[in-house]
Amino acid sequence: DAKTTQPNSMESNEEEPVHLPCNHSTISGTDYIHWYRQLPSQGPEYVIHGLTSNVNNRMASLAIAEDRKSSTLILHRATLRDAAVYYCILISGGGADGLTFGKGTHLIIQP
Amino acid sequence: DAGITQSPRYKITETGRQVTLMCHQTWSHSYMFWYRQDLGHGLRLIYYSAAADITDKGEVPDGYVVSRSKTENFPLTLESATRSQTSVYFCASSWGRGNTEAFFGQGTRLTVV
Repeated sequence: DAKTTQPNSMESNEEEPVHLPCNHSTISGTDYIHWYRQLPSQGPEYVIHGLTSNVNNRMASLAIAEDRKSSTLILHRATLRDAAVYYCILISGGGADGLTFGKGTHLIIQP
Repeated sequence: DAGITQSPRYKITETGRQVTLMCHQTWSHSYMFWYRQDLGHGLRLIYYSAAADITDKGEVPDGYVVSRSKTENFPLTLESATRSQTSVYFCASSWGRGNTEAFFGQGTRLTVV
């Protein structure tokens, strides 16, 4: 799976939107962009994924650049419960290898 | 109960002992994965399986053995535990690859003394 680059940490205020960036300049045409998050002392949790078009679900929105070399996870109104490590991962639509996690972005939410 | 469960949640074992961590999922997902998570290293893939009887090595497979005789189970065995294998272990499963989400267990905290 291709590599992603994320900031080590970000800080935001409660009830404000949060934009978490991810760069993936070596993405291939069959790679899906996935986001997972890991709350303290828990296993990772799926957030959202997309291929080319922007995606929305009850947790977040995913904005994908036109050239697909970057994406942004948007939390529309952060709460204290959104404080977690957020991982951006590229997963090939084919193949059979494992999911490769990077270091992720540690999101801190200030009350 | 539906979902993915790991057992035990906590385990303390001695150096040199064999220990098996269990992972069970109720969805009949094709893919299953084992990760370890250590401070400063994030999540690292140990082994994965694309289907029953098909397993393959991940990034850090040394010292671990897996099997997958049934689709729903994917046990991880440390044949002779070492202190460096003290870690939190996560199991995950998914239907497929790119267009499906993966579900993770709650983790097993293993301490080797």
